[in-house]
Amino acid sequence: KQEVTQIPAALSVPEGENLVLNCSFTDSAIYNLQWFRQDPGKGLTSLLLIQSSQREQTSGRLNASLDKSSGRSTLYIAASQPGDSATYLCAAFPDSNYQLIWGAGTKLIIKP
Amino acid sequence: GAGVSQSPRYKVAKRGQDVALRCDPISGHVSLFWYQQALGQGPEFLTYFQNEAQLDKSGLPSDRFFAERPEGSVSTLKIQRTQQEDSAVYLCASSYRLAGADNEQFFGPGTRLTVL
Repeated sequence: KQEVTQIPAALSVPEGENLVLNCSFTDSAIYNLQWFRQDPGKGLTSLLLIQSSQREQTSGRLNASLDKSSGRSTLYIAASQPGDSATYLCAAFPDSNYQLIWGAGTKLIIKP
Repeated sequence: GAGVSQSPRYKVAKRGQDVALRCDPISGHVSLFWYQQALGQGPEFLTYFQNEAQLDKSGLPSDRFFAERPEGSVSTLKIQRTQQEDSAVYLCASSYRLAGADNEQFFGPGTRLTVL
């Protein structure tokens, strides 16, 4: 059964730093992996989707990588800003069914 | 519409009441998903529709939970005889294609259900 883990559960860094969030998954049989952002009391905003055949995707200051063989994905945030403070979740889409499997998220705080 | 919408945004129910949660997906999106998110946790899959067909309902926690999408657009998640453990945020997502490699899911703001 697919399991998705995100470490650390929380991270606090000063503004301007570059940072990496980690996501690991146990089963490499996935269609894609998606990174989301969730602000308190709000829904989920899709940040990046990496298909199983891809190794990375970029959007602005965000870069997500995927290494299926090791069961890992990372989300790199460059030049962090206070507005980046949120919970970041990764989710793997197995190729065997329709059930997106989620990590518990990393709560990120960017200190001004 | 511009995005996925859900109503109501907040619902307080007394234990034992029935509730109905509505999801309006992005127009033209074939796939629709329901998720349940407990406080401090990631979402958990409940059910999936492809147009009006419910292809997977294995995530529904009990037979008190029922979902429908009769015309392949708007969906309703119904919870009968609500219990305190049903308190959570219920998220709806839609995607343009059938499940697949580029099947990006777009989420609504969720309905926060509190059962007293």
